Amino acid sequence: NAGVTQTPKFRILKIGQSMTLQCTQDMNHNYMYWYRQDPGMGLKLIYYSVGAGITDKGEVPNGYNVSRSTTEDFPLRLELAAPSQTSVYFCASSYGLAGDVDGELFFGEGSRLTVL
Amino acid sequence: AQSVTQPDIHITVSEGASLELRCNYSYGATPYLFWYVQSPGQGLQLLLKYFSGDTLVQGIKGFEAEFKRSQSSFNLRKPSVHWSDAAEYFCAGNDYKLSFGAGTTVTVRA
Repeated sequence: NAGVTQTPKFRILKIGQSMTLQCTQDMNHNYMYWYRQDPGMGLKLIYYSVGAGITDKGEVPNGYNVSRSTTEDFPLRLELAAPSQTSVYFCASSYGLAGDVDGELFFGEGSRLTVL
Repeated sequence: AQSVTQPDIHITVSEGASLELRCNYSYGATPYLFWYVQSPGQGLQLLLKYFSGDTLVQGIKGFEAEFKRSQSSFNLRKPSVHWSDAAEYFCAGNDYKLSFGAGTTVTVRA
């Protein structure tokens, strides 16, 4: 099983550039998430989706956009990249809502983004 | 304010020694609590979870955690650490949304 697959694993951007982080899951999970991980800060939720066509903001959505056209895919778009967006990004999915009884999160391997 | 706190940023332990990682929560009611592990270069993986009932929960890879309401804690333990346990460990809690602690990095020395 592939689980959750993220691409690319590494990327360097210049300030003001845009890019899309891709995320695909093959577990037929309704719930999908994007987190960013910064040293000493744990994971912060950027956006999440409860199903195809439905997305909502998390704790730190500014500077990002998402879409969910299919159950499998949940791309994260960075517009006008800024140094503050240098981070490790994780996509995750779950059967139920994260943190609920059936909400075990399954994570991708992460995408390390540097904005210079 | 953080709902879940991990007081230790970094712990070094000898291979074969016991390990205990601390997690404190500040929810009013009993939350759902979790421990996740992140091995180098990998995503997070669920080790164990607590919802209710028996306060000592068993997880994968030989880990266990004990929920103590009186201390607002959910500490993770392993009796004998292996070199492969070197990783970052995250406690997480859920009252109305899931929040992660800042993480504890575990180094295992030979």
